[in-house]
Amino acid sequence: AQTVTQSQPEMSVQEAETVTLSCTYDTSESDYYLFWYKQPPSRQMILVIRQEAYKQQNATENRFSVNFQKAAKSFSLKISDSQLGDAAMYFCAYRDFGNEKLTFGTGTRLTIIP
Amino acid sequence: DTAVSQTPKYLVTQMGNDKSIKCEQNLGHDTMYWYKQDSKKFLKIMFSYNNKELIINETVPNRFSPKSPDKAHLNLHINSLELGDSAVYFCASSHGYRDRTEAFFGQGTRLTVV
Repeated sequence: AQTVTQSQPEMSVQEAETVTLSCTYDTSESDYYLFWYKQPPSRQMILVIRQEAYKQQNATENRFSVNFQKAAKSFSLKISDSQLGDAAMYFCAYRDFGNEKLTFGTGTRLTIIP
Repeated sequence: DTAVSQTPKYLVTQMGNDKSIKCEQNLGHDTMYWYKQDSKKFLKIMFSYNNKELIINETVPNRFSPKSPDKAHLNLHINSLELGDSAVYFCASSHGYRDRTEAFFGQGTRLTVV
């Protein structure tokens, strides 16, 4: 069974600085998808960024980028120029190609220090 | 024009009662899900439906019964509620196609069993 591990239960960063959240996963599949979701205090789950395993290029979305290392099964999220609105729980998630199920990590709570 | 909407947002009920949570999506997606988030924020899939057909059922007690009257709706009925059922329940939907893989989540229903 696939597993997703987030080893940092909590992280904090100064406003305007850069922070990296870690995620590793375990799978025997070669084709899959990886996601980062954000859950602010409002409880809403918001997609931040996604990566297809068959793409070598790292995904970027404005201030958010990933470092995808397929051989190491690592998928970290970098947030540049951190803003107060970035404060939230961040969940890493995995999905097999052809399987509808998302497997989530345990989350990292990110605090932004003004 | 909410994409995935759940009702109610909050539900407080006594042990032994039966309750339902409703979910509707207006994104034209074929696949819908129920996820459970426990008190430690861990998210786990419960069910998935594709075009009204059950495709994922993850070792959930029989007291939980999903129903999909059409592909835009997926309701969750829970019989004989127990204290351990207290959690946040998220409905989600996705296209399920290779290039359009992300799941969109509702705002969650916080269920408290007393």
